[in-house]
Parts: sequence; C-alpha cells; structure tokens
Amino acid sequence: GDSVTQMEGPVTLSEEAFLTINCTYTATGYPSLFWYVQYPGEGLQLLLKATKADDKGSNKGFEATYRKETTSFHLEKGSVQVSDSAVYFCALKGNTPLVFGKGTRLSVIA
Amino acid sequence: SQTIHQWPATLVQPVGSPLSLECTVEGTSNPNLYWYRQAAGRGLQLLFYSVGIGQISSEVPQNLSASRPQDRQFILSSKKLLLSDSGFYLCAWSVILAGAGTQYFGPGTRLLVL
Repeated sequence: GDSVTQMEGPVTLSEEAFLTINCTYTATGYPSLFWYVQYPGEGLQLLLKATKADDKGSNKGFEATYRKETTSFHLEKGSVQVSDSAVYFCALKGNTPLVFGKGTRLSVIA
Repeated sequence: SQTIHQWPATLVQPVGSPLSLECTVEGTSNPNLYWYRQAAGRGLQLLFYSVGIGQISSEVPQNLSASRPQDRQFILSSKKLLLSDSGFYLCAWSVILAGAGTQYFGPGTRLLVL
C-alpha cells in the first residue's frame, strides 16, 4: 500500500539556520503530496502541497518540490525562526485518504 | 468559510468507561469526514472515514467505533476504554476523498485513560 517515510527527529537548529526535512514516498499512480505542521497543543495545519510532478509548493518561506524520479518531497526553509518550532508531517493522497509519515519534531533555538 | 469543531478538548477517563468524542463541520455540505489518532511518539493513524450519512469505513480493527448521524457530524465512540486508547484524536474533513483534495483538521481532543 501507499506509504511515507520521513527523517527521524528531533531536529534542533539555531535561528537563521537552513532546514531540510527529508520525505520519500511509495505509491501507485500519481498521488498528491502535502506537508502539514502541528504547533504545540494544536491540530494539524496544511503548510503546502503539490499535486503533480515538478510542482513546487511554498508557504511561509517553506518550499518542497514533487520529485517523481526520486519519489521525494523534501521540505526546506532557508532561515528558520523560533516560531517554526513544531512537528512536521509529510503526507500523500492517492486513491485513499491521507497517509502520513511519522512526523519530525523541529526545535529552533535563539 | 468552513470551520471544524471538536469537543471536548481534553478528557481523562478511567479504564473500562465509555467514550464519545464529537466532531462537527460548518460551512460545507456532504463533506468526507475522518478520525485520526496520534499516539505518543507515533505518527498519525487513520481510524475511520465516512463519505456520507451512515457510511463508515474502518481502517484498523480496534476498540473504537464511529458513527455519522448527520451530514456534518462525526462521532467516535467506545464501550470500554483501554489504556492503549490514550492519545490525541483528530477529526478532519475534505471535499474530495482522493487525489488533490486537501484535508482540514480540527483542534483535536487529548484523551488520557487511567
């Protein structure tokens, strides 16, 4: 079945550092890919998405490119802030409801 | 605009007691509805989803059940809670079940079974 694998956390970075959170997927067909973010004590919020190969999703300085050849959707941000501290989930949606990765906890320290 | 509500926000229940968590969506008709669980240290697990009133699909066999008595209401229940039912329960909705349709999540209910 469809699955998502993302890098294990936690990830700890200093403010203004570059962020990469790796995400790879296995799916039949052409799924849509998502990144969701969960701030402490809250539900999930959609961060960005891409619906076809080579699409780039972007929001709040975060970017991810749908790479079909490597089945990847890595999340990047050029300069993280303390307010970016959260858990980030990679997810895919093919012919079923969202399938999530296990999440990566990011802590940004000043 | 659409909004999704969950209650209660937090719940502490003894083992063996019943459970009822409620989710309602406003501002849309005939949404697809979902229940997820996030256990400590684990990812998000899809428990149930529904494409219409009375239509429930179960993703994993367990101690829980779901019902959809009204178009925009989704209820998660248990007759007897287990310790392993502790976790963060998230309700979500979407217009489209598959493909590019985005799922929107509620604020969640934190359940602690003692």
